Amino acid sequence: EDQVTQSPEALRLQEGESSSLNCSYTVSGLRGLFWYRQDPGKGPEFLFTLYSAGEEKEKERLKATLTKKESFLHITAPKPEDSATYLCAVMNYGGSQGNLIFGKGTKLSVKP
Amino acid sequence: DTGVSQDPRHKITKRGQNVTFRCDPISEHNRLYWYRQTLGQGPEFLTYFQNEAQLEKSRLLSDRFSAERPKGSFSTLEIQRTEQGDSAMYLCASSTPGSPLHFGNGTRLTVT
Repeated sequence: EDQVTQSPEALRLQEGESSSLNCSYTVSGLRGLFWYRQDPGKGPEFLFTLYSAGEEKEKERLKATLTKKESFLHITAPKPEDSATYLCAVMNYGGSQGNLIFGKGTKLSVKP
Repeated sequence: DTGVSQDPRHKITKRGQNVTFRCDPISEHNRLYWYRQTLGQGPEFLTYFQNEAQLEKSRLLSDRFSAERPKGSFSTLEIQRTEQGDSAMYLCASSTPGSPLHFGNGTRLTVT
Protein backbone atom coordinates (compact mmCIF):
# COMPACT_ATOMS: atom_id res chain seq x y z
CA GLU A 1 0.00 0.00 0.00
CA ASP A 2 1.29 3.45 -0.91
CA GLN A 3 2.24 5.44 2.17
CA VAL A 4 3.79 8.76 3.16
CA THR A 5 5.30 9.39 6.59
CA GLN A 6 6.51 12.80 7.70
CA SER A 7 8.78 13.58 10.61
CA PRO A 8 8.93 15.22 12.99
CA GLU A 9 5.25 15.92 13.65
CA ALA A 10 6.18 19.32 15.09
CA LEU A 11 9.35 21.38 15.03
CA ARG A 12 10.16 24.52 16.95
CA LEU A 13 13.05 26.67 15.75
CA GLN A 14 14.56 29.98 16.68
CA GLU A 15 14.74 32.53 13.92
CA GLY A 16 17.86 31.82 11.89
CA GLU A 17 18.19 28.21 13.10
CA SER A 18 18.36 26.02 9.99
CA SER A 19 16.84 22.52 9.95
CA SER A 20 15.29 19.83 7.75
CA LEU A 21 11.91 18.14 7.48
CA ASN A 22 11.70 14.53 6.36
CA CYS A 23 9.20 12.76 4.09
CA SER A 24 9.58 8.99 3.73
CA TYR A 25 7.47 7.29 1.09
CA THR A 26 6.51 3.85 -0.11
CA VAL A 27 4.94 3.84 -3.53
CA SER A 28 4.61 1.29 -6.31
CA GLY A 29 5.99 3.67 -8.93
CA LEU A 30 6.71 7.32 -8.20
CA ARG A 31 5.24 9.71 -10.74
CA GLY A 32 6.03 12.76 -8.63
CA LEU A 33 6.59 14.03 -5.09
CA PHE A 34 5.05 17.32 -4.02
CA TRP A 35 5.63 19.73 -1.17
CA TYR A 36 2.89 22.08 -0.01
CA ARG A 37 2.67 24.70 2.72
CA GLN A 38 -0.57 25.10 4.69
CA ASP A 39 -1.42 28.01 6.96
CA PRO A 40 -4.18 27.61 9.59
CA GLY A 41 -7.65 27.79 8.05
CA LYS A 42 -6.28 27.88 4.51
CA GLY A 43 -5.81 25.38 1.71
CA PRO A 44 -2.41 23.91 0.83
CA GLU A 45 -0.14 26.18 -1.21
CA PHE A 46 2.08 24.50 -3.81
CA LEU A 47 5.84 24.74 -3.26
CA PHE A 48 7.73 22.12 -5.30
CA THR A 49 7.44 19.06 -7.53
CA LEU A 50 10.28 16.51 -7.68
CA TYR A 51 10.28 13.67 -10.20
CA SER A 52 13.47 11.63 -9.86
CA ALA A 53 16.16 10.75 -7.33
CA GLY A 54 18.89 13.36 -7.15
CA GLU A 55 16.62 16.21 -8.17
CA GLU A 56 16.68 19.43 -6.14
CA LYS A 57 14.47 22.54 -6.21
CA GLU A 58 14.94 25.84 -4.37
CA LYS A 59 12.72 28.76 -3.49
CA GLU A 60 13.90 31.53 -1.19
CA ARG A 61 14.88 29.85 2.12
CA LEU A 62 13.51 26.44 1.11
CA LYS A 63 15.28 23.63 -0.71
CA ALA A 64 13.70 20.27 -1.52
CA THR A 65 15.69 17.14 -2.35
CA LEU A 66 14.66 13.63 -3.38
CA THR A 67 16.13 10.15 -3.00
CA LYS A 68 14.58 6.79 -3.88
CA LYS A 69 13.02 6.47 -0.44
CA GLU A 70 12.64 9.96 1.00
CA SER A 71 12.57 13.67 0.45
CA PHE A 72 13.91 16.46 2.60
CA LEU A 73 12.74 20.04 2.89
CA HIS A 74 15.67 22.10 4.09
CA ILE A 75 14.92 25.46 5.67
CA THR A 76 17.84 27.86 5.83
CA ALA A 77 17.80 30.74 8.33
CA PRO A 78 14.02 30.57 8.85
CA LYS A 79 11.91 33.57 9.71
CA PRO A 80 8.69 33.69 11.77
CA GLU A 81 6.67 33.97 8.55
CA ASP A 82 7.87 30.48 7.60
CA SER A 83 5.72 29.09 10.42
CA ALA A 84 3.15 26.74 8.87
CA THR A 85 2.38 23.07 8.36
CA TYR A 86 4.42 21.54 5.54
CA LEU A 87 2.76 18.69 3.68
CA CYS A 88 4.41 16.08 1.48
CA ALA A 89 2.44 14.12 -1.11
CA VAL A 90 3.17 11.49 -3.75
CA MET A 91 1.49 10.50 -6.98
CA ASN A 92 2.01 7.00 -8.31
CA TYR A 93 1.83 5.62 -11.83
CA GLY A 94 -1.04 3.36 -10.91
CA GLY A 95 -3.32 6.14 -9.73
CA SER A 96 -5.08 8.96 -11.50
CA GLN A 97 -3.28 12.20 -11.98
CA GLY A 98 -5.32 13.81 -9.25
CA ASN A 99 -4.97 11.19 -6.56
CA LEU A 100 -2.25 12.57 -4.31
CA ILE A 101 -1.36 10.60 -1.20
CA PHE A 102 -0.52 13.04 1.57
CA GLY A 103 1.42 12.66 4.79
CA LYS A 104 0.12 14.15 8.03
CA GLY A 105 2.47 17.10 7.79
CA THR A 106 5.12 18.74 9.95
CA LYS A 107 4.00 21.77 11.94
CA LEU A 108 6.84 24.29 11.97
CA SER A 109 7.00 27.14 14.47
CA VAL A 110 9.72 29.77 14.15
CA LYS A 111 10.18 32.05 17.14
CA PRO A 112 11.72 35.53 16.78
CA ASP B 1 -5.26 34.19 -11.91
CA THR B 2 -7.82 34.67 -9.16
CA GLY B 3 -7.23 31.25 -7.64
CA VAL B 4 -9.63 28.48 -6.72
CA SER B 5 -12.74 29.83 -4.99
CA GLN B 6 -14.91 27.85 -2.59
CA ASP B 7 -18.26 28.76 -1.07
CA PRO B 8 -19.28 28.82 1.70
CA ARG B 9 -16.16 29.05 3.85
CA HIS B 10 -17.97 27.65 6.85
CA LYS B 11 -21.12 25.56 7.19
CA ILE B 12 -22.77 24.38 10.40
CA THR B 13 -25.57 21.87 9.99
CA LYS B 14 -27.55 19.44 12.05
CA ARG B 15 -27.16 15.71 11.66
CA GLY B 16 -29.43 14.39 8.95
CA GLN B 17 -29.54 17.58 6.89
CA ASN B 18 -28.25 17.87 3.34
CA VAL B 19 -25.48 20.32 2.44
CA THR B 20 -24.00 21.51 -0.85
CA PHE B 21 -20.65 23.15 -1.48
CA ARG B 22 -19.49 25.00 -4.57
CA CYS B 23 -16.05 25.25 -6.17
CA ASP B 24 -14.96 27.61 -8.93
CA PRO B 25 -11.61 26.49 -10.38
CA ILE B 26 -8.94 28.61 -12.02
CA SER B 27 -10.54 29.53 -15.33
CA GLU B 28 -8.19 27.76 -17.74
CA HIS B 29 -7.95 24.56 -15.64
CA ASN B 30 -9.89 21.62 -17.09
CA ARG B 31 -9.21 19.29 -14.16
CA LEU B 32 -10.98 19.62 -10.82
CA TYR B 33 -10.54 17.61 -7.63
CA TRP B 34 -12.25 17.28 -4.26
CA TYR B 35 -10.35 16.34 -1.12
CA ARG B 36 -11.31 16.06 2.54
CA GLN B 37 -9.08 16.99 5.46
CA THR B 38 -9.67 16.30 9.16
CA LEU B 39 -7.74 17.87 12.03
CA GLY B 40 -4.14 16.74 12.20
CA GLN B 41 -4.33 14.76 8.97
CA GLY B 42 -3.29 15.39 5.42
CA PRO B 43 -5.91 15.85 2.70
CA GLU B 44 -7.57 12.66 1.38
CA PHE B 45 -8.67 12.29 -2.23
CA LEU B 46 -12.41 12.05 -2.88
CA THR B 47 -13.02 12.51 -6.61
CA TYR B 48 -11.64 13.94 -9.86
CA PHE B 49 -13.16 15.53 -12.97
CA GLN B 50 -11.67 16.19 -16.36
CA ASN B 51 -13.95 18.74 -17.98
CA GLU B 52 -17.46 17.51 -17.12
CA ALA B 53 -16.54 13.83 -16.82
CA GLN B 54 -16.06 12.33 -13.36
CA LEU B 55 -13.10 10.01 -13.93
CA GLU B 56 -12.35 8.63 -10.49
CA LYS B 57 -14.05 8.26 -7.12
CA SER B 58 -12.43 7.19 -3.88
CA ARG B 59 -13.84 4.48 -1.66
CA LEU B 60 -14.22 7.31 0.87
CA LEU B 61 -17.00 8.73 -1.28
CA SER B 62 -20.02 6.90 0.11
CA ASP B 63 -23.44 6.83 -1.55
CA ARG B 64 -24.41 9.90 0.49
CA PHE B 65 -21.85 11.98 -1.41
CA SER B 66 -22.35 13.20 -4.95
CA ALA B 67 -20.27 15.57 -7.04
CA GLU B 68 -21.10 17.24 -10.32
CA ARG B 69 -19.41 19.48 -12.82
CA PRO B 70 -22.21 20.03 -15.32
CA LYS B 71 -20.58 22.39 -17.81
CA GLY B 72 -16.95 21.65 -17.12
CA SER B 73 -16.53 24.85 -15.13
CA PHE B 74 -17.70 25.06 -11.49
CA SER B 75 -18.40 21.96 -9.41
CA THR B 76 -20.71 21.11 -6.54
CA LEU B 77 -20.29 18.53 -3.79
CA GLU B 78 -23.46 17.43 -2.02
CA ILE B 79 -23.63 15.41 1.18
CA GLN B 80 -27.00 13.90 2.00
CA ARG B 81 -28.14 12.90 5.49
CA THR B 82 -25.02 14.33 7.12
CA GLU B 83 -23.37 12.47 10.00
CA GLN B 84 -21.02 13.78 12.68
CA GLY B 85 -18.18 11.90 11.01
CA ASP B 86 -18.62 14.13 7.96
CA SER B 87 -17.24 17.10 9.92
CA ALA B 88 -14.08 18.13 8.09
CA MET B 89 -12.55 20.67 5.75
CA TYR B 90 -13.60 20.01 2.16
CA LEU B 91 -10.94 21.20 -0.26
CA CYS B 92 -11.25 21.76 -3.98
CA ALA B 93 -8.26 21.91 -6.32
CA SER B 94 -7.76 22.44 -10.04
CA SER B 95 -5.02 21.95 -12.58
CA THR B 96 -4.12 21.56 -16.24
CA PRO B 97 -2.59 18.27 -17.43
CA GLY B 98 0.89 17.76 -16.03
CA SER B 99 0.73 20.77 -13.72
CA PRO B 100 0.52 20.68 -9.92
CA LEU B 101 -2.77 20.93 -8.08
CA HIS B 102 -3.78 24.39 -6.85
CA PHE B 103 -6.07 24.29 -3.84
CA GLY B 104 -8.79 26.62 -2.64
CA ASN B 105 -9.17 27.61 1.01
CA GLY B 106 -11.83 25.01 1.63
CA THR B 107 -15.25 24.76 3.20
CA ARG B 108 -15.23 23.83 6.87
CA LEU B 109 -18.24 21.65 7.70
CA THR B 110 -19.41 21.14 11.27
CA VAL B 111 -22.19 18.62 11.85
CA THR B 112 -23.88 18.98 15.25
